[in-house]
Amino acid sequence: GAVVSQHPSRVICKSGTSVKIECRSLDFQATTMFWYRQFPKQSLMLMATSNEGSKATYEQGVEKDKFLINHASLTLSTLTVTSAHPEDSSFYICSASHDRVADTQYFGPGTRLTVL
Amino acid sequence: GQNIDQPTEMTATEGAIVQINCTYQTSGFNGLFWYQQHAGEAPTFLSYNVLDGLEEKGRFSSFLSRSKGYSYLLLKELQMKDSASYLCAVRDTAGDLSFGAGTTVTVRA
Repeated sequence: GAVVSQHPSRVICKSGTSVKIECRSLDFQATTMFWYRQFPKQSLMLMATSNEGSKATYEQGVEKDKFLINHASLTLSTLTVTSAHPEDSSFYICSASHDRVADTQYFGPGTRLTVL
Repeated sequence: GQNIDQPTEMTATEGAIVQINCTYQTSGFNGLFWYQQHAGEAPTFLSYNVLDGLEEKGRFSSFLSRSKGYSYLLLKELQMKDSASYLCAVRDTAGDLSFGAGTTVTVRA
């Protein structure tokens, strides 16, 4: 099956610093990548959708200047949390799809972010 | 947008069967997915339904009725490792997934 990796799996940072999370599709070309956030005991909430080579589309309430998304190639997307604060602490999960409308989304293993 | 409802928790005995129901209201239906998520891990794909009927995959089956906005996931011959959260997700015509809050299944010996 399709494999999606995420790095790092866990990160702890100080308030005010920026953190970059990488999402890679290892054995397929991901024309679309999705970024989700999940707080404890809650479901996944879509933050943004990115297509290779174009700007990301952000969901309502998600600050695009705070959560920078780059989808530079068909196998790599990055999410940078800028000037992180404790309320940004969460489980960030990416998913990738070859065909957004017709194909299954395959999820990465997630990144646990803790902001002190 | 989507409005997806599923029970919060279910408990069952090892070897038994459990059915997790999911109801949804959608502005543009393009498929329903079930994912399994263990604590602290990302969701893993279980099943996909886009047409009415039952899809069977080993111990797991999923059913869809589009006219009723209803799906269920059936887990048979429960094993301890099946203890997890099960997420119902609906895809819209733009390709976006909306997730239910998840059903935590606890399997007891």
